[in-house]
Amino acid sequence: GAVVSQHPSRVICKSGTSVKIECRSLDFQATTMFWYRQFPKQSLMLMATSNEGSKATYEQGVEKDKFLINHASLTLSTLTVTSAHPEDSSFYICSARGAGVDTQYFGPGTRLTVL
Amino acid sequence: QKEVEQNSGPLSVPEGAIASLNCTYSDRGSQSFFWYRQYSGKSPELIMFIYSNGDKEDGRFTAQLNKASQYVSLLIRDSQPSDSATYLCAVAIAGGTSYGKLTFGQGTILTVHP
Repeated sequence: GAVVSQHPSRVICKSGTSVKIECRSLDFQATTMFWYRQFPKQSLMLMATSNEGSKATYEQGVEKDKFLINHASLTLSTLTVTSAHPEDSSFYICSARGAGVDTQYFGPGTRLTVL
Repeated sequence: QKEVEQNSGPLSVPEGAIASLNCTYSDRGSQSFFWYRQYSGKSPELIMFIYSNGDKEDGRFTAQLNKASQYVSLLIRDSQPSDSATYLCAVAIAGGTSYGKLTFGQGTILTVHP
C-alpha cells in the first residue's frame, strides 16, 4: 500500500517553456501533498504544501507565480514550472499524506533539465 | 543551529556489522520521527517511523527515540552492501500551521563494504 506515482520521470525542455508534473496517490486518499526540490548532493527542500481543494501554501523564497500547484482531487496534485530557466533544473519530488497521519510517502521523482 | 542535524559521513561499515545512524533535533514540540533511505538518483523510501520514547524494531532495523535528549537513531543489524545509501532523518511537529510538514536532516551517507 501507500504508492505514489509521478509523471513524467524525466523531462528536458527549452528555456522559457512551461512544464507540468503530475503526482498521484494510487491506493489511498491524499488529503495533503507536498512538493520538494533536491539539488545534487543536497537534502530535500520543501517548496509547498497543498491540501485538496485549497490553495497551496508556499515556503519562504518560493515564487508562487512560477511554481503553480493544483490539488483538485484526493489523488492528484500537479506542479507547473512556468517559464522554466536553467537554474530550475533539479529533481522534483512529491509526497502524499493521508488524513490524520504524519507519514509521507514519496513519489519516484521527476528530473527536470532546462536547456 | 540547524533544526535537524545528522552527521553527513560517510559512514563505512563492513558487511555483517551494525551501522548506527544518529540524528538530533532542536524543536521540543516535535512529535513524529522518520527514517528514510535514499539511493543515488532515486526518491526517499520510508524505512521506519517512531512516536514514543524507546526502541522500535522492524526486521534488521531498530529506531531509538529519546525525547529528553532530543535524539533519534537508527541501527541496522547485519548490514548488507544493498544498504549502502543516504539515510535521511525527518521530524514532524504536532500542530499549528506547520502540521504535517517534515523537516529533514542533510542525510548520512552509509557505505557497507564486502
